[in-house]
Amino acid sequence: GQQVMQIPQYQHVQEGEDFTTYCNSSTTLSNIQWYKQRPGGHPVFLIQLVKSGEVKKQKRLTFQFGEAKKNSSLHITATQTTDVGTYFCAGREGYQKVTFGTGTKLQVIP
Amino acid sequence: DAGITQSPRYKITETGRQVTLMCHQTWSHSYMFWYRQDLGHGLRLIYYSAAADITDKGEVPDGYVVSRSKTENFPLTLESATRSQTSVYFCASRDPGIGKTEAFFGQGTRLTVV
Repeated sequence: GQQVMQIPQYQHVQEGEDFTTYCNSSTTLSNIQWYKQRPGGHPVFLIQLVKSGEVKKQKRLTFQFGEAKKNSSLHITATQTTDVGTYFCAGREGYQKVTFGTGTKLQVIP
Repeated sequence: DAGITQSPRYKITETGRQVTLMCHQTWSHSYMFWYRQDLGHGLRLIYYSAAADITDKGEVPDGYVVSRSKTENFPLTLESATRSQTSVYFCASRDPGIGKTEAFFGQGTRLTVV
């Protein structure tokens, strides 16, 4: 079945440093979504990418979808303590099935 | 914003007991999902439902049973709980409309099997 892996599993950064998490799927995706889960909370939708090579920005967050639609990345510029949490990608292969990645837990040191 | 609610939030049960986790959504979303979250595994799909009376297995369905007699409810039952089912369980729902792909998650149920 479809597998979606994320690296790194954990990342500690100093406040103000940049952060990137990578997502790789074993199969071609129709779209990819990104979610953020604060400590003790539930996943919250951030964005969806659909087109090959698509790049979207949300303030300090930049999301990319690979040309082959099998990988994606999330880059945060100048991290803040409010960025703390676990970031999940979720790859959609068919109409219904969404497979979540393993997640990257971000810790920001003030 | 009631949205999607799970109950209970915390549950401790003994090995071998049956336990049911409840999920209720107020949006009339046709799609509903159950995930379990474990360290190192992310969110793994247990079961999903495309509409009332339509359910299908996800990645890790063994030991679980679901039903969906009404659109708004999607209970998850552990027929005979095992320690390996200790986890955080999330219910989610989604509108099937074109372009509406965002999944909304409940607050989660932390289940401990002793």
